[in-house]
Amino acid sequence: DAKTTQPPSMDCAEGRAANLPCNHSTISGNEYVYWYRQIHSQGPQYIIHGLKNNETNEMASLIITEDRKSSTLILPHATLRDTAVYYCIVIPRNNNDMRFGAGTRLTVKP
Amino acid sequence: NAGVTQTPKFRVLKTGQSMTLLCAQDMNHEYMYWYRQDPGMGLRLIHYSVGEGTTAKGEVPDGYNVSRLKKQNFLLGLESAAPSQTSVYFCASSTRSDNYEQYFGPGTRLTVT
Repeated sequence: DAKTTQPPSMDCAEGRAANLPCNHSTISGNEYVYWYRQIHSQGPQYIIHGLKNNETNEMASLIITEDRKSSTLILPHATLRDTAVYYCIVIPRNNNDMRFGAGTRLTVKP
Repeated sequence: NAGVTQTPKFRVLKTGQSMTLLCAQDMNHEYMYWYRQDPGMGLRLIHYSVGEGTTAKGEVPDGYNVSRLKKQNFLLGLESAAPSQTSVYFCASSTRSDNYEQYFGPGTRLTVT
């Protein structure tokens, strides 16, 4: 499986865009990029996923580089409630073993 | 919809005791999962199920057993608890294997002394 590398922590000012990077340089052609977040001690929450095209939903945007070796999750207008640990996960289609790494702890500051 | 619920929320066990954690989902999902999360770490998959009556091992299955007798329920058992099993346990469910939009429960905090 492809490994992901994320910075351990980041800060963002409230109201600004939060850009969370993820490196997955060994990703294979059939592997998707998924993003989850975990607020405090709650269960993780799905955010967004993509294969090679950029994706956007009501929560965030996902930008995947053309070579697919890295991606960026963008929260366009971060709020205090977006403070959480964000996990970038790379997983092949039809593989049930989703591996969560240590993630990036995002702190949104007023 | 309640989504994914877990019972109990907290539990303290002595070494060697047994217990069962219950996960229930009301979304008619085919797939269900059990994870554990140790302090400061990401989640690790213990066991999963792709449908009623079927289960499979994940990354860290040793010391745990599971059963999926009904589609909406997924049970995680600890036959002889050890301090190394002190963790927060999360259950999740999803519609199918190629959709990793998993819905997670609130977690069970287990301490083994």
